[in-house]
Amino acid sequence: DTGVSQDPRHKITKRGQNVTFRCDPISEHNRLYWYRQTLGQGPEFLTYFQNEAQLEKSRLLSDRFSAERPKGSFSTLEIQRTEQGDSAMYLCASRPPSRRSAEAFFGQGTRLTVV
Amino acid sequence: AQSVSQHNHHVILSEAASLELGCNYSYGGTVNLFWYVQYPGQHLQLLLKYFSGDPLVKGIKGFEAEFIKSKFSFNLRKPSVQWSDTAEYFCAAERSNDYKLSFGAGTTVTVRA
Repeated sequence: DTGVSQDPRHKITKRGQNVTFRCDPISEHNRLYWYRQTLGQGPEFLTYFQNEAQLEKSRLLSDRFSAERPKGSFSTLEIQRTEQGDSAMYLCASRPPSRRSAEAFFGQGTRLTVV
Repeated sequence: AQSVSQHNHHVILSEAASLELGCNYSYGGTVNLFWYVQYPGQHLQLLLKYFSGDPLVKGIKGFEAEFIKSKFSFNLRKPSVQWSDTAEYFCAAERSNDYKLSFGAGTTVTVRA
């Protein structure tokens, strides 16, 4: 148990539907990341939150993707009008404040399949 | 341009063989470096990390890595692998005091019993 929880673990959706994923970070971790991982590739950065502020969103991310982190606790990632190319593992990670030399802790991921 | 490069896509070894996986990063200045491992069906877990100090870093399960600043490298090593080391290994890097952690494409390691 890493302490970072993601829900759901698996999601199958039809093309064109909207999906939303949730991430609960380790408590007191003020930094939160979303990554996407496809087969044979490393995790690809999507977006980053420090507390409730979204500090960066990857330019690779289309406008169909949006993420929130209300109150600096859990985070959601929504994909609108899903496409088959969105099929991937979506990973969430959290980290303590940057003054501590700590790594990112990853969740189990949400595997999205768009049919 | 890719920020983190891993040289080997797939490595196949016999038990007790030595392992070395290459990793290079392209950031200038000071960096933080990591190796993560992903066992089949499991989440990414940290093997070891480098923030500062001794460039030879020891991690879990007998792994170590050496930071060579002049070569922009952070290669992972293990003197004698076990069947249980079969996994995917990812190198990651970030500029110090930055937040954006970038990963390499990963190396699949298969250890034959």
